Amino acid sequence: QSVLTQPPSVSGAPGQRVTISCTGSSSNFGAGYDVHWYQQLPGTAPKLLLFGNSNRPSGVPDRFSGSKSGTSASLAITGLQAEDEADYYCQSYDSSLSGWVFGGGTKLTVL
Amino acid sequence: EVQLVQSGAEVKKPGESLKISCQGSGSSFSNYYIAWVRQMPGKRLEWMGIIYPGDSDTRYNPSFQGQVTISADKSITTAYVQWSSLKASDTAMYYCARLIGYCTSPSCPSYFDFWGQGTLVTVSS
Repeated sequence: QSVLTQPPSVSGAPGQRVTISCTGSSSNFGAGYDVHWYQQLPGTAPKLLLFGNSNRPSGVPDRFSGSKSGTSASLAITGLQAEDEADYYCQSYDSSLSGWVFGGGTKLTVL
Repeated sequence: EVQLVQSGAEVKKPGESLKISCQGSGSSFSNYYIAWVRQMPGKRLEWMGIIYPGDSDTRYNPSFQGQVTISADKSITTAYVQWSSLKASDTAMYYCARLIGYCTSPSCPSYFDFWGQGTLVTVSS
């Protein structure tokens, strides 16, 4: 059971907007720790997608955005493209576990 | 850009030992913590431990303490994770990743910005 909870799958048609939720607790998001997001394309290593709740590393399109409020966070992808089909993971730090925690991952299918 | 290059896939038998590596590029290798992250087939990412190559300061996820040993050689900008006696349940993809912000304060974002390509470890009799 993941400390951070994500839906197993989401889907959307090209051009649409999808959101992926990530639910935490009082020892991570609720304690003020940031959420970070990773994209894992099939057969490849995870890649940092967003850091510090909503900041994009260089090279990440502005179609990707993020937010955090209370014990929940979300990743939004607008103008969905076939190349966005991947697994997405949220991550934070947990003060009770004294370590880094990941969500269970969400598989995005582009219809 | 930072590059982390991992050693190749391994196929081992239960009870065998194994050491896999992660070589970093750039002079800043010794100035950041390097993490090892496990991904079992179809499962989530799990941090195993971190090491600071500059002085080999190491921390383990309690779930992995005693199961693996993490080390580093800063002279060749390489980090390692090793097993003394593999089990079938160690079958997984293992990634190294650079940790940004090793801190326990909420005011300090802590995440993994560059990742190795992964090393697949298969343990089977």
